[in-house]
Amino acid sequence: DSGVTQTPKHLITATGQRVTLRCSPRSGDLSVYWYQQSLDQGLQFLIHYYNGEERAKGNILERFSAQQFPDLHSELNLSSLELGDSALYFCASSVSSGGARGETQYFGPGTRLLVL
Amino acid sequence: TQLLEQSPQFLSIQEGENLTVYCNSSSVFSSLQWYRQEPGEGPVLLVTVVTGGEVKKLKRLTFQFGDARKDSSLHITAAQPGDTGLYLCAGGTNAGKSTFGDGTTLTVKP
Repeated sequence: DSGVTQTPKHLITATGQRVTLRCSPRSGDLSVYWYQQSLDQGLQFLIHYYNGEERAKGNILERFSAQQFPDLHSELNLSSLELGDSALYFCASSVSSGGARGETQYFGPGTRLLVL
Repeated sequence: TQLLEQSPQFLSIQEGENLTVYCNSSSVFSSLQWYRQEPGEGPVLLVTVVTGGEVKKLKRLTFQFGDARKDSSLHITAAQPGDTGLYLCAGGTNAGKSTFGDGTTLTVKP
């Protein structure tokens, strides 16, 4: 158990819908990272928040957005869902801002999203 | 865009054999991490290397970071069925981004 929690564990929805994935980082961790993992594209970095502020952006679609709240939990919002958005979505957390010394990221168990 | 290429993509061996998997890039990373992921679960960190030429050992696993900090290798000695999983390398940058390779799927048969 990494200490990172994600809800829901599974989500089935239809195309065009909007969903919200939630992540609670480990106690004391200030950074939250979101990743998408699909069968044909591996683990793709989406976005990184540090202490409530966006720190880095990866291959995140405009239909997707995220935020980190004052209590440091984070939500990933996926809208206008398409079949290709079906994937595992992972959240990870780390102590600080993930700088040069290769800070450890602790991954949650993931949310499996299926868009029908 | 910084890319990490992992090889081989798939590896199936017998228990007791040795193996090496590779992680290569044309970019320099400030750090490199190796993770192991089991089906339906999140990746679990195995090691972080930050210094060019660094070698770290974790029981039967030996990790090496290239001198130029562009590549890394993971060597497993006397593989066991419990080593089965997806091995991912990830490169870190000062900007707070992480780039993951597509992984090596290892199967160790008893």
